Amino acid sequence: EPEVTQTPSHQVTQMGQEVILRCVPISNHLYFYWYRQILGQKVEFLVSFYNNEISEKSEIFDDQFSVERPDGSNFTLKIRSTKLEDSAMYFCASSQTVLGGYTFGSGTRLTVV
Amino acid sequence: GESVGLHLPTLSVQEGDNSIINCAYSNSASDYFIWYKQESGKGPQFIIDIRSNMDKRQGQRVTVLLNKTVKHLSLQIAATQPGDSAVYFCAETSGGYNKLIFGAGTRLAVHP
Repeated sequence: EPEVTQTPSHQVTQMGQEVILRCVPISNHLYFYWYRQILGQKVEFLVSFYNNEISEKSEIFDDQFSVERPDGSNFTLKIRSTKLEDSAMYFCASSQTVLGGYTFGSGTRLTVV
Repeated sequence: GESVGLHLPTLSVQEGDNSIINCAYSNSASDYFIWYKQESGKGPQFIIDIRSNMDKRQGQRVTVLLNKTVKHLSLQIAATQPGDSAVYFCAETSGGYNKLIFGAGTRLAVHP
């Protein structure tokens, strides 16, 4: 079964450093997303991306965050200057249509120290 | 141990029993709902979905019920197995947009 692949599985970074979280969506999917989950809390939407541009973003997704699809396969989330409160699991997801085949990756655990 | 954050409600059941997990959704305009299962250290895994023009949908061992009048969604798992132990989230979306709004989650603990 096709999977959304995320790397790394765990990233530790110092406060103020930039991090890039990487995702390989399912190959024939057209819509891409990032969500985050602070430990013990619910999953929160960050951003959706379609046709090489952001289609929607949440209040969490401020100027410190950016997304990019640098080539035909990767989808990245960059946090420019990490804060302690950015520590969370970050999930990438993709879907074939607006809702069809919505699939999540296994996540990257980001720890900011 | 658990860190500071939402304390998840827990449903404890015996293996073989039926489980019912409930969710109150927030937006009366939501027209599509999904139940996800999340095991420790993994991403949400799709279980079953339902559109707002339906009130019931069945899958393999799972049934989702939708009551739009009271904005309530439930997930029924028949003959619950130890492998069903996980946190279950409902998610909603509306207006044809693709942003999912997740509920707080319920932990299902299945005892042999």
